[in-house]
Amino acid sequence: EPEVTQTPSHQVTQMGQEVILRCVPISNHLYFYWYRQILGQKVEFLVSFYNNEISEKSEIFDDQFSVERPDGSNFTLKIRSTKLEDSAMYFCASSGALAGRDIQYFGAGTRLSVL
Amino acid sequence: GNSVTQMEGPVTLSEEAFLTINCTYTATGYPSLFWYVQYPGEGLQLLLKATKADDKGSNKGFEATYRKETTSFHLEKGSVQVSDSAVYFCALNNFNKFYFGSGTKLNVKP
Repeated sequence: EPEVTQTPSHQVTQMGQEVILRCVPISNHLYFYWYRQILGQKVEFLVSFYNNEISEKSEIFDDQFSVERPDGSNFTLKIRSTKLEDSAMYFCASSGALAGRDIQYFGAGTRLSVL
Repeated sequence: GNSVTQMEGPVTLSEEAFLTINCTYTATGYPSLFWYVQYPGEGLQLLLKATKADDKGSNKGFEATYRKETTSFHLEKGSVQVSDSAVYFCALNNFNKFYFGSGTKLNVKP
């Protein structure tokens, strides 16, 4: 069964460093998303992406964050200058064509630890 | 606004016990409702969904009914197994944005 894959599974970084979290969505999907889950808290929407541009973003997704689809398969989340409070599990998700947009398929997540 | 509230865990049950995990929601419009499950070390997997009032979603012995009058989508299973131990997330999708509950950890003991 097709799945969303995320790498790395765990990323450790120093405060102020840039990190790039990588995702390979399901191959025929058109809509891509990033969510985060701070330990013990809710899964929170960050951003959605369609047709090579951001379609929606939350107030969490400030200028420190950016997303990109650099090629036909990868979807990346960049945090420009990490802060301690960016430590969280980051989930990538994708969904299909218009009729299937209401089901999002999630990756296993990347745990980001900012020291 | 849109939000999901689910019962806090952990919920600890013996094998073959009956499971209920409560979920209520607040939403504008007509959201779709979901239960996702997260097994240790894995991502969120869709368990079941319901797209309109009175729909019942079911999968792997789990079921949940979309109740508009009580704004609820409680998850039930008649007889849990040790392999059901996981974190369960209730979620709603409104205008293609997901809102998740905080998750309920289920521990099933043999």
